[in-house]
Amino acid sequence: EAGVVQSPRYKIIEKKQPVAFWCNPISGHNTLYWYRQNLGQGPELLIRYENEEAVDDSQLPKDRFSAERLKGVDSTLKIQPAELGDSAVYLCASSRDAETQYFGPGTRLLVL
Amino acid sequence: SQKIEQNSEALNIQEGKTATLTCNYTNYSPAYLQWYRQDPGRGPVFLLLIRENEKEKRKERLKVTFDTTLKQSLFHITASQPADSATYLCALLMDSSYKLIFGSGTRLLVRP
Repeated sequence: EAGVVQSPRYKIIEKKQPVAFWCNPISGHNTLYWYRQNLGQGPELLIRYENEEAVDDSQLPKDRFSAERLKGVDSTLKIQPAELGDSAVYLCASSRDAETQYFGPGTRLLVL
Repeated sequence: SQKIEQNSEALNIQEGKTATLTCNYTNYSPAYLQWYRQDPGRGPVFLLLIRENEKEKRKERLKVTFDTTLKQSLFHITASQPADSATYLCALLMDSSYKLIFGSGTRLLVRP
């Protein structure tokens, strides 16, 4: 089966600009996650979706970050405006059950 | 405070030897503990899951132990190969929230 697809793979923007990341989960996986991974650290959860519903967005900085998962399949994560500290890898993952998560390759964001 | 600790120093071993990685945690009561492998430029890949009532789990050359009294998991790779070189992340799955919390990972380098 195809894995989790993310795009773009790399993004370089200037601070205060908006940026969006797209994720297509594995077919049939109802749960979708967005993580942020800083250099030398493990991934940190930003938001978790069950179908269309965001069931855990407690770690999402809501002043500048937003996410949506229309129709319960693809998802988009947006940052507006971006800050220097947002430079990181943004990972999308999906799962069929609560035990095993499948990660995409990530989007590497550099904010200048 | 809650912490997950993995050795930040890289583990450098000779091919054929057993690699042992450690994951310690404080102030968490996880339902499961998982180990992931992450290669540069890629997302984490699930390897093994061990439940709180299990002491040991094996998969091919991999073995995981879980001691909930010590709050520690050990991850072993026997007969290590250069292809095993990667960063290994441990992660705690919290039963109540289904949230996956990652350690910062340990880099393993297997010399030929």
